[in-house]
Amino acid sequence: ETAVFQTPNYHVTQVGNEVSFNCKQTLGHDTMYWYKQDSKKLLKIMFSYNNKQLIVNETVPRRFSPQSSDKAHLNLRIKSVEPEDSAVYLCASSFGISGNTLYFGEGSRLIVV
Amino acid sequence: GQQVQQSPTSLVLQEGENAELQCNFSTSLNSMQWFYQRPGGSLISVFYNPSGTKQSGRLTSTTVIKERRSSLHISSSQITDSGTYLCALRGSALGRLHFGAGTQLIVIP
Repeated sequence: ETAVFQTPNYHVTQVGNEVSFNCKQTLGHDTMYWYKQDSKKLLKIMFSYNNKQLIVNETVPRRFSPQSSDKAHLNLRIKSVEPEDSAVYLCASSFGISGNTLYFGEGSRLIVV
Repeated sequence: GQQVQQSPTSLVLQEGENAELQCNFSTSLNSMQWFYQRPGGSLISVFYNPSGTKQSGRLTSTTVIKERRSSLHISSSQITDSGTYLCALRGSALGRLHFGAGTQLIVIP
């Protein structure tokens, strides 16, 4: 049963446009993450938040910015998308920073043309 | 270099055969987790197994810390087992989760 909800699931846009992905979890977790999965299926963490506080901010381009209104929501905004931003963006959540188990959303596939 | 190496990269089995997926890591281990991802789908946690052996149905995970490896065994594979299996480890309690590149499993009739 899905408990991490991502929207939209699929988005096609042109280079230079702005895109936002939303994520909400109903598990009562206090930590949320954004991962990027490239065409080779490799997952790399981008950001993580614990109780609305940014705790991990990997080296990602500055056009990426996370936004958290409360511990159940973590959105990802991309200003001025580039072709290399085409990927699947996965949101996840867990209890605690060291989180025993991560629960993932269905993913948001971005295609930049 | 990559901290987590998975092998094989891909595996094709006939239904009923067993599969052995490997995950080797070069760092210290705080936790190890296996995920399953069906094509176009989300990741589903299969095992949280920082050490020892755990079994769930046809799936068995064994993590040997001192040998820096974890394995996922699938017995009597079914077509619905097809998908990508990823291992992920955390090197310390507050460390980031590092994913392997995955093993793509295809089970054919």
